Amino acid sequence: SYELTQPPSVSVSPGQTASISCSGDKLGYKFASWYQQKAGQAPVLVISEDDRRPSGIPERFSGSNSGNTATLTISGTQAMDEADYYCQAWDSSIVVFGGGTKLTVL
Amino acid sequence: EVQLVESGGGLVQPGRSLRLSCAASGFTFDDYAMHWVRQAPGKGLEWVSGISWNSGYIGYADSLKGRFTISRDNAKNSLYLQMNSLRAEDTALYYCAKDRGNSGVDFDYWGQGALVTVSS
Repeated sequence: SYELTQPPSVSVSPGQTASISCSGDKLGYKFASWYQQKAGQAPVLVISEDDRRPSGIPERFSGSNSGNTATLTISGTQAMDEADYYCQAWDSSIVVFGGGTKLTVL
Repeated sequence: EVQLVESGGGLVQPGRSLRLSCAASGFTFDDYAMHWVRQAPGKGLEWVSGISWNSGYIGYADSLKGRFTISRDNAKNSLYLQMNSLRAEDTALYYCAKDRGNSGVDFDYWGQGALVTVSS
């Protein structure tokens, strides 16, 4: 079965750039989406179809996808961005989520 | 305003059944695919099942092995998940999620979840 691999944790200082990777076989040939989940809340879509930012999502969130890796980038990271982040893709008509990355802003 | 409200969760014994419902409002329900995604306590997101706008496509996670059945009633703006032969490992918060498209893209709105606890 298809797998998406994310680092368990990423740390970043306020105002710096955070990058979270998501790896999967030939992921660049699929669309990758990203979700933010804060403690006790439902997930929120922050990047759709590799690099599209849904309405209401700050411009500091961006995405890319090429080869075997999709990347979520948060520029000028703020304390409010501290959360778990999940990548998601489709494979053979099945939805796959990555294991999630805990972003710590310190 | 898009709203997704799950119901039907609770405590159930292993081997028993439970049916979750999701009441949708604020959008044209029969224009979009819908999904169930679960999250075990302290764990990550796991897609459970999805259904296209007209039920022409239905998909399930391989791990479910035919125990769960998804359905929808477009006349009632409702999504359902019938869960049979429940196991302890099915304990999770079950989210109803709206797809951005009619057959499967990604999930732009989520409910607050229905907690299912499988325990004797």
